[in-house]
Amino acid sequence: ETGVTQTPRHLVMGMTNKKSLKCEQHLGHNAMYWYKQSAKKPLELMFVYNFKEQTENNSVPSRFSPECPNSSHLFLHLHTLQPEDSALYLCASSPRTGDEAFFGQGTRLTVV
Amino acid sequence: AQSVTQPDIHITVSEGASLELRCNYSYGATPYLFWYVQSPGQGLQLLLKYFSGDTLVQGIKGFEAEFKRSQSSFNLRKPSVHWSDAAEYFCAVVGNTGFQKLVFGTGTRLLVSP
Repeated sequence: ETGVTQTPRHLVMGMTNKKSLKCEQHLGHNAMYWYKQSAKKPLELMFVYNFKEQTENNSVPSRFSPECPNSSHLFLHLHTLQPEDSALYLCASSPRTGDEAFFGQGTRLTVV
Repeated sequence: AQSVTQPDIHITVSEGASLELRCNYSYGATPYLFWYVQSPGQGLQLLLKYFSGDTLVQGIKGFEAEFKRSQSSFNLRKPSVHWSDAAEYFCAVVGNTGFQKLVFGTGTRLLVSP
């Protein structure tokens, strides 16, 4: 248990659906991250939030929309996804950017 | 920009044998270095980290890693592997100046044979 909780753990969605992934941490961390982990690819950093402000968007398609309403919660809103978006989506937090990151267990997303 | 190379995609080690997983980084100065482990279907767990000071760092589960500046390496070692160590291992680096973000290697999958 790392203190970072992601829900749901598994999600199957059609290409026309809209869904959201949720991440929550009560570690008092100020930085939160979304990573994408696909088979046979390195972990891809998608978004970084620092003190609720988005500080990095790694050329992520607009069908992925992050939201950070406060420093404890991070969402990833999904709409009109493609099958190649199927992956494990990992949330992480750290006291500040550059510190060790604590990861959630991930959401296994399957787009059909 | 910093980068990490883990040259071994898979490694198989007999239970009880020693282990060394390789990691090389590219960064202009001394970075912060990490090793994470991931069991199937799980998130990443931090094994150990190097920020400064003693170049041999001890981590959880009996792992250690040695920072070698001259070789730009941060190899992970364990003297005696247990079957439960079978997992994927990721080396990561973060620059200690400017905007800091973790950059991961591609991972090494460890298989443990009886």
